[in-house]
Amino acid sequence: ELKVEQNPLFLSMQEGKNYTIYCNYSTTSDRLYWYRQDPGKSLESLFVLLSNGAVKQEGRLMASLDTKARLSTLHITAAVHDLSATYFCAVSGNQFYFGTGTSLTVIP
Amino acid sequence: EAGVAQSPRYKIIEKRQSVAFWCNPISGHATLYWYQQILGQGPKLLIQFQNNGVVDDSQLPKDRFSAERLKGVDSTLKIQPAKLEDSAVYLCASSLVSYNSPLHFGNGTRLTVT
Repeated sequence: ELKVEQNPLFLSMQEGKNYTIYCNYSTTSDRLYWYRQDPGKSLESLFVLLSNGAVKQEGRLMASLDTKARLSTLHITAAVHDLSATYFCAVSGNQFYFGTGTSLTVIP
Repeated sequence: EAGVAQSPRYKIIEKRQSVAFWCNPISGHATLYWYQQILGQGPKLLIQFQNNGVVDDSQLPKDRFSAERLKGVDSTLKIQPAKLEDSAVYLCASSLVSYNSPLHFGNGTRLTVT
């Protein structure tokens, strides 16, 4: 079974700071997805990364994929309170395997 | 486009009772998934349908859980009898093509078993 690990599990950061969330997975896959989940809400698709070296950016979030290292990163630039949420990565194998999630809290 | 519809939003039952959840996927999406999300964890796949056929139900506790997808559109997930550890959010998702398209999730059903 494909394993997906995220770190950190919890992240508290001040507004205006930068930080990176890491997603490691255990077997080969060239498709990786990032989702956002607000408390009590469902998952919203953020990024779809389809090949090695893929980089996607939306606002203050940038995601990248290194399939050789089996690593994806979600970089947060100049965090704002509205980014507070739980972020999941998911890897596509014979099904979608989700990471444990990173709970991000941005403090004013 | 209309999103994935799920009902009910919340359900509270006693252990050993039965419960059913309903899902209507995005129109044209052939693949439908049911996920279980326990508080503080990532979603775990229960069952995947392609049209009205089951693709993967390896993690579905078949002694108590059942699911069907009638005519390749709507789907129901049933638990009978429920256990305390079934308390979770049950998410339905759909996609155009399996594995290669992002999942579109419904709002989920929060089940509490007492």
